[in-house]
Amino acid sequence: DAKTTQPPSMDCAEGRAANLPCNHSTISGNEYVYWYRQIHSQGPQYIIHGLKNNETNEMASLIITEDRKSSTLILPHATLRDTAVYYCIVRPYNTNAGKSTFGDGTTLTVKP
Amino acid sequence: DTGVSQNPRHKITKRGQNVTFRCDPISEHNRLYWYRQTLGQGPEFLTYFQNEAQLEKSRLLSDRFSAERPKGSFSTLEIQRTEQGDSAMYLCASSLLGTLQETQYFGPGTRLLVL
Repeated sequence: DAKTTQPPSMDCAEGRAANLPCNHSTISGNEYVYWYRQIHSQGPQYIIHGLKNNETNEMASLIITEDRKSSTLILPHATLRDTAVYYCIVRPYNTNAGKSTFGDGTTLTVKP
Repeated sequence: DTGVSQNPRHKITKRGQNVTFRCDPISEHNRLYWYRQTLGQGPEFLTYFQNEAQLEKSRLLSDRFSAERPKGSFSTLEIQRTEQGDSAMYLCASSLLGTLQETQYFGPGTRLLVL
């Protein structure tokens, strides 16, 4: 079973910030939060990951709550090309990281 | 382009035929993963390798499925006696063990249609 819960769908206006939530209430102390997105008919694309501090890269920002039980992926200025399914995953960071367990993700639709 | 390549990108076959897919990971990556994804669902783990050793197999990997990574570089996934239920996207990912977060990078996938 997936270890994360995400809303099935969200809409966002082009140019506005898209805030995608994820609940991971059973996260362990050695697990990172990863975000991927999948544009139709392509493989999942890595976006960002974090442990407990907020992270930012050229694609997005990741805000993790202090208790680490939830996080929010922020796309600061959404474009039509950001329309995709967004997956939130938790994975341990020790040497036995192994597989990723995906849920069904959030379908983000960016509208003009 | 993540650097992970998969071939072929599309495959149409008749039920009962055997098919083989290839994955070439990012060159220095020592872990390689196979996932399967059906329409509307997230990817599901099938198996993974560390170098040439197959370390874990999912219960989804029936005895008709076999995966190899003979020299610790590219990998093949073979499905024997294909069934219509095997129709799916087959995804490959690679990662570098030894980095703290061991981020997985995915290829574009091979879409299989079994008629």
